[in-house]
Amino acid sequence: QVQLQESGPGLVKPSETLSLTCTVSGDSVSSGSYYWSWIRQPPGKGLEWIGYIYYSGSTNYNPSLKSRVTISVDTSKNQLSLKLSSVTAADTAVYFCARAPRLCSSASCYAEGGWFDPWGQGTLVIVSS
Amino acid sequence: QSVLTQPPSASGTPGQRVTISCSGSSSNIGSNYVYWYHQLPGTAPKLLIYRNNQRPSGVPDRFSGSKSGTSVSLAISGLRSEDEADYYCATWDDNLNRVVFGGGTKLTVL
Repeated sequence: QVQLQESGPGLVKPSETLSLTCTVSGDSVSSGSYYWSWIRQPPGKGLEWIGYIYYSGSTNYNPSLKSRVTISVDTSKNQLSLKLSSVTAADTAVYFCARAPRLCSSASCYAEGGWFDPWGQGTLVIVSS
Repeated sequence: QSVLTQPPSASGTPGQRVTISCSGSSSNIGSNYVYWYHQLPGTAPKLLIYRNNQRPSGVPDRFSGSKSGTSVSLAISGLRSEDEADYYCATWDDNLNRVVFGGGTKLTVL
């Protein structure tokens, strides 16, 4: 079955860049039928969508994070990556990657908003000096 | 506060039926599909309901979703102790141009 596994530093200093990788197994990030996404959850709080990426490199970011976020995909390694710059304590969270179905209308193709399945187990990133 | 409004808590006894509501607006729930997730402590969210009322394979038919206007509900019948978890609704918001989640509802099985 499809499995996603996040990895990366668990501690990042304020003002630095958070970098995480999500390794996908059981599916190909370039299969074409899915987008891939990052979502985060501050400790004890709710979920916040960060963004989507399609294997072609097309991205869609949360406007509130757009100026600091870069999501990329490495099809040769079957991975997606997240970079979040200029982090503060407010960026402390568990970061999840997830798969999202791709829909196509007569006009365009897009990720079906809100549909994430499956999810990785998540990785906690603490922003602290 | 969250764009989608959920009650912070809900409870029921084993065997009971409970419902969790999620309210939004015309730019989100009113015009897009809604999804439900449940999250056990220390684990990742898991898809429970997709496209308002569809169950993924493996999800018991004790779980059902419904939608009316700008609100949706998740119903859990035959409540079991293992249903104790946090439940989140999610959808796309056409005005905000992003995925929005409810604040989550903590379900306690008494």
